[in-house]
Amino acid sequence: QTVVTQEPSFSVSPGGTVTLTCGLSSGSVSTSYYASWYQQTPGQAPRTLIYSTNIRSSGVPDRFSGSILGNKAALTITGAQADDESDYYCVLYMGSGISVFGGGTKLTVL
Amino acid sequence: QVQLQESGPGLVKPSETLSLTCRVSSYSISSGYYWGWIRQPPGKGLEWIGSIYHSGNTYYSPSLKSRVAMSVDTSKNQFSLNLSSVTAADTAVYFCARRPQIWVGATVVGQYFDYWGQGTLVTVSS
Repeated sequence: QTVVTQEPSFSVSPGGTVTLTCGLSSGSVSTSYYASWYQQTPGQAPRTLIYSTNIRSSGVPDRFSGSILGNKAALTITGAQADDESDYYCVLYMGSGISVFGGGTKLTVL
Repeated sequence: QVQLQESGPGLVKPSETLSLTCRVSSYSISSGYYWGWIRQPPGKGLEWIGSIYHSGNTYYSPSLKSRVAMSVDTSKNQFSLNLSSVTAADTAVYFCARRPQIWVGATVVGQYFDYWGQGTLVTVSS
């Protein structure tokens, strides 16, 4: 069974840059997986940030960007702000209508 | 602005069937898009359950496929989830979401979620 991997936790200083990654337990992530990224704060529904690897969803500031770095999908936040402190989830499209969520990364801004 | 709202019982007994409905506003389900269900156990991550098109075509997570059934009611502009033989492990917040497809030519190459409901907590307990 395919497992989508994410760092369990990460921290960044206010104003700093952080890159979260999304990989596969077996194999490499490419643009063919059409990675999407979601931000979730406690008690709230997820918010869509990025889809199709690097397309920002409507209203998402350009501080958030998506890419492929090496063999993983990546979400980079530049100029981190206090309200970026959230859980971040990636989703990879496996084909045949199947999507798989990563385990999520808890981002702390301090 | 597309809006989604989940509804259903907040408490389900073990071995019974969990049934939820997602009502869509400001967009007609019949106009297109897949519509999906995602869940999140308390303190844990998100899990995709399945998706349905207005025609009734469905995709289900392989890990839940044997217990999941989804349906759509275009006259009420809503879609539903049934999860059978539930256990405590099915206790979660259940979200519904719109699931656009990404096309290259005539081939679907990707899907993602864009609009989300607020979620509803379902507890499985006797």
